[in-house]
Amino acid sequence: QVQLQGSGPGLVKPSQTLSLTCTVSGDSIRSGAYYWNWIRQRPGKGLEWIGHIHNSGNSYYYPSLRSRVTISIDTSKSQVSLRLSSVTAADTAVYYCARAGSVVDIWGQGTMVTVSS
Amino acid sequence: QSVLTQPPSASGTPGQRVTISCSGSSSNIGGNTVTWYQQLPGAAPKLLIYMNNQRPSGVPDRFSGSKSGTSASLAISGLQSDDEADYHCATWDDSLHAWVFGGGTKVTVV
Repeated sequence: QVQLQGSGPGLVKPSQTLSLTCTVSGDSIRSGAYYWNWIRQRPGKGLEWIGHIHNSGNSYYYPSLRSRVTISIDTSKSQVSLRLSSVTAADTAVYYCARAGSVVDIWGQGTMVTVSS
Repeated sequence: QSVLTQPPSASGTPGQRVTISCSGSSSNIGGNTVTWYQQLPGAAPKLLIYMNNQRPSGVPDRFSGSKSGTSASLAISGLQSDDEADYHCATWDDSLHAWVFGGGTKVTVV
């Protein structure tokens, strides 16, 4: 059974960099069958795709976030990481990691990140 | 502002049928299949419908999906109190090269 577990600081100061990690168990990131995604949900709002990465290292980011986002993958640790720089209060959200083949099908539990001084 | 448009809320009494719409464009719904997610309070989204109208194992047949042109719909028949949740539509957008979502619809059982 595939499980995705997100982790990272729940509080980040404005202008700093948000860093989160997603650990994948029960599946092999190395299989190459999936893209590994980060998606966020601001309080009371809908879902917003941030970007994804394949185990080949191929990544793509949502246009409006591209200048601030880096997604990386460590197949030896079965981990996918997200870095979002120069954060503001508008980046306060629950951040989900999720697996996608033809659809985004399996989601992690979500990590709440608050941007505040 | 979400790329796909959903009504913010919908409601019904137990046993009723509720329908949620999801409107997009030719670059997203018009050319790709639609997925629906159910998000219970405080939980992560759960896959409900994929490829417009397919249910993963374990999803009751009370839930059904359809798509026509640049719009899609989710129907919940025999509404139950357990169905109170937010429902999100999603698809791939060929212009943005991104997964795009609706703003979510909160279903209330009155």
